[in-house]
Amino acid sequence: AQRVTQPEKLLSVFKGAPVELKCNYSYSGSPELFWYVQYSRQRLQLLLRHISRESIKGFTADLNKGETSFHLKKPFAQEEDSAMYYCALSGGDNFNKFYFGSGTKLNVKP
Amino acid sequence: EAQVTQNPRYLITVTGKKLTVTCSQNMNHEYMSWYRQDPGLGLRQIYYSMNVEVTDKGDVPEGYKVSRKEKRNFPLILESPSPNQTSLYFCASSLGTPIYNEQFFGPGTRLTVL
Repeated sequence: AQRVTQPEKLLSVFKGAPVELKCNYSYSGSPELFWYVQYSRQRLQLLLRHISRESIKGFTADLNKGETSFHLKKPFAQEEDSAMYYCALSGGDNFNKFYFGSGTKLNVKP
Repeated sequence: EAQVTQNPRYLITVTGKKLTVTCSQNMNHEYMSWYRQDPGLGLRQIYYSMNVEVTDKGDVPEGYKVSRKEKRNFPLILESPSPNQTSLYFCASSLGTPIYNEQFFGPGTRLTVL
C-alpha cells in the first residue's frame, strides 16, 4: 500500500534560518513524489515534483530511495514561505491514484 | 480565467438527505479527481476520472458516487450522507495523468452532516 508520512504538524523557524520539512513514504513499485503548498486564503498548488528535478522559490527536494524519504529544504526561510505543505505520492501500481501526507504547517517568524 | 469551480462552497445538511457537489473546469482537462480533507489525515482521494465515462475508485470511495458525462464536469454525489462524511472536499483537474501534469485545485466545499 502507498502511504505518505509527514511527522511534523508544525515547524517554526526564524527568517533566514534553514528549513527542512520531512516526508517519508512507503510504496509498491516505482512512485513519483511531489510537494504541494497552500498559502493562507489561496488554493492548494504544486510546489515541485521529483520527476522534474526542479527548484522552485528556493526549495529543493531530494528523493532518497534507501531511506524512502523526500524531504523539502530551503537554505534561508522567508516570511512569505509560511504556509501548509503537503508531500504527495503517485505511481507504483497506479499512476492515476494520488496519496497525500497529513501536512506540515511552516511558520516563519520575523 | 482558467480555473476549477465548486458549488456550493458551504453546505449543512441532515443525515440521509441526498446531495450533489458540483465541480467544473474550463481548461479542457482530461483528468479530474475528488479529495476529502480531515484534520490530521491530510487529503484522501475519493474518486478520479481519466476521461468522459471513465471513473475509478480512490482511497476512500465508500458512500460516494461520481459521474463524468461531460469533460468539464465531475459531480460528487452523496446518496445518503452520514455524519462521518462531514469534511472539506476538494476537486482537482489536470491535463492528463497527475504524475506528469500539475493538478489544479478548486476552492473547497465545506460539508457538515448533522
